[in-house]
Amino acid sequence: GAGVSQTPSNKVTEKGKYVELRCDPISGHTALYWYRQSLGQGPEFLIYFQGTGAADDSGLPNDRFFAVRPEGSVSTLKIQRTERGDSAVYLCASSLTRENTGELFFGEGSRLTVL
Amino acid sequence: AQSVSQHNHHVILSEAASLELGCNYSYGGTVNLFWYVQYPGQHLQLLLKYFSGDPLVKGIKGFEAEFIKSKFSFNLRKPSVQWSDTAEYFCAVKRNSGYALNFGKGTSLLVTP
Repeated sequence: GAGVSQTPSNKVTEKGKYVELRCDPISGHTALYWYRQSLGQGPEFLIYFQGTGAADDSGLPNDRFFAVRPEGSVSTLKIQRTERGDSAVYLCASSLTRENTGELFFGEGSRLTVL
Repeated sequence: AQSVSQHNHHVILSEAASLELGCNYSYGGTVNLFWYVQYPGQHLQLLLKYFSGDPLVKGIKGFEAEFIKSKFSFNLRKPSVQWSDTAEYFCAVKRNSGYALNFGKGTSLLVTP
């Protein structure tokens, strides 16, 4: 596709449930990022993939959060045992290479609401 | 702690007024600096960036920013704003040796006709 695609655009779930958020980056972009944006805050870094591997997962808040990118393209962010504090917009971004990072192309985000 | 600070959270201007949004960072070493913009209902997009060279960089839609290394600042400016500049503006910093782009909290700009 022309841009970064994220699904679902909205997800409402109950506390304790498991959630998966999907990101389809721009074709050919090897670098992929997940960010989380809470109300009134800037995007907060979660994890960075270069190809299939997570090169930096230092932003994941705890072990309930996990992300994969098995074929170096689509990525899935997985959240176990969701908590109300996980409610936020989860943003995915991609860039052509690590050296070109900074010019990130963002998706429109997945808004997660945990009741 | 390393951080990116944006001084103004909400700015209201009339059309044709001049704009300056402040951004300071506390990272040591070589950094890359960015301003991103999010128009209502749209995704984040790059406005301008500084990697090296001339510290005054020009971006899209008449925006510019000046990197002042001694002040750890990268302020965004526009001489004359338009109603269509109404948006959320985010300053971001990446350490040259790192991967993550670290964002400030953002400044919400409202331009009134």
